Amino acid sequence: ELKVEQNPLFLSMQEGKNYTIYCNYSTTSDRLYWYRQDPGKSLESLFVLLSNGAVKQEGRLMASLDTKARLSTLHITAAVHDLSATYFCAFDTGNQFYFGTGTSLTVIP
Amino acid sequence: NAGVMQNPRHLVRRRGQEARLRCSPMKGHSHVYWYRQLPEEGLKFMVYLQKENIIDESGMPKERFSAEFPKEGPSILRIQQVVRGDSAAYFCASSPPGRMNTEAFFGQGTRLTVV
Repeated sequence: ELKVEQNPLFLSMQEGKNYTIYCNYSTTSDRLYWYRQDPGKSLESLFVLLSNGAVKQEGRLMASLDTKARLSTLHITAAVHDLSATYFCAFDTGNQFYFGTGTSLTVIP
Repeated sequence: NAGVMQNPRHLVRRRGQEARLRCSPMKGHSHVYWYRQLPEEGLKFMVYLQKENIIDESGMPKERFSAEFPKEGPSILRIQQVVRGDSAAYFCASSPPGRMNTEAFFGQGTRLTVV
């Protein structure tokens, strides 16, 4: 059975703090994606991770992939209010992009 | 290069009516995916299509729902005899031929409300 588990589901953090969102998945896929969704909006692609050990950074966000552990992380450095959104990881099964439950992030001033 | 275009953005239907949701993929993309999102929930896969072919419809309800992606024109998700439980945001995504290890690009969604 396909599974993607994200934790935490809800995250409230203060501006300036660091935190990590975890994404565990159940298959051997080596293609992992991170998306951001603002309330009432569509999904925006953040990162594409295509191999074991891949690490990508954009601004205050950094994503990594460990295909052996079937784990991806999204690390937030020195959070700012603009990062408040829901973050989804997804892996590629070949026939679909299978999404996690999402992590709702709220950054508090 | 326009992104994935979905219309309408908002659709209100009475119970028992039909809903038709349209999706035009990005230029050069031949793979289309439909997802449903209920409020405060994640995205649930419905169907994956290539031109004139349904590749994977494992997420589609067995009754009332159908999808097509004709040789010409947009992909259509059709919901017949809508019920209140069909109220959701429906997102379409597209990706290029051969997938090319790229992500799926999402449209703005159609928010269906059944009254």
